[in-house]
Amino acid sequence: EDKVVQSPLSLVVHEGDTVTLNCSYEVTNFRSLLWYKQEKKAPTFLFMLTSSGIEKKSGRLSSILDKKELFSILNITATQTGDSAVYLCAVLRSGNTPLVFGKGTRLSVIA
Amino acid sequence: KAGVTQTPRYLIKTRGQQVTLSCSPISGHRSVSWYQQTPGQGLQFLFEYFSETQRNKGNFPGRFSGRQFSNSRSEMNVSTLELGDSALYLCASSFGPAGPARTDTQYFGPGTRLTVL
Repeated sequence: EDKVVQSPLSLVVHEGDTVTLNCSYEVTNFRSLLWYKQEKKAPTFLFMLTSSGIEKKSGRLSSILDKKELFSILNITATQTGDSAVYLCAVLRSGNTPLVFGKGTRLSVIA
Repeated sequence: KAGVTQTPRYLIKTRGQQVTLSCSPISGHRSVSWYQQTPGQGLQFLFEYFSETQRNKGNFPGRFSGRQFSNSRSEMNVSTLELGDSALYLCASSFGPAGPARTDTQYFGPGTRLTVL
């Protein structure tokens, strides 16, 4: 059965800290890995990673994929309270199949 | 461009009742997917519609059904509600369907919070 596992499940850090969120996967016909940020309701898209070893950056957030070891990390530097959210990782598979989501990492950034 | 909209935002029902949730995708998007999100199970895929056809279905009982209209709006129906159906129901739209040609991502709506008493 295809699965996506995120760790840690929750994390509490202070403003200014750097955090690393992990996502490992075991799926057939892997195509891409996606990261979403969910603050209150709607998950919002952060990154789509398809190639191994190529870092994607957006401001203080960055992510990289390792297709050999089957995992991805999401880094957030100089965290702010506004980064508090659930971060979801999902895998897109080839073929006519839906996304498979992990259960998320709940990040709380305290002042 | 307006985002994905879902109605209603909150709903309270009792066991045994049925419920219909609505989702309007981003203009021009033809694919709509539905997910159930609970604290214990995370985001679980319900079904996907593209051009009024169901293309994928997750592992949910037959009480969960859906449809898509010619304007790409989609509805999800849950009959004979159970306490365990209490969840946030998210709808996501994308331009194309799941498949080898997909390169776009899905955009989520704000969800409908369903509480079953």
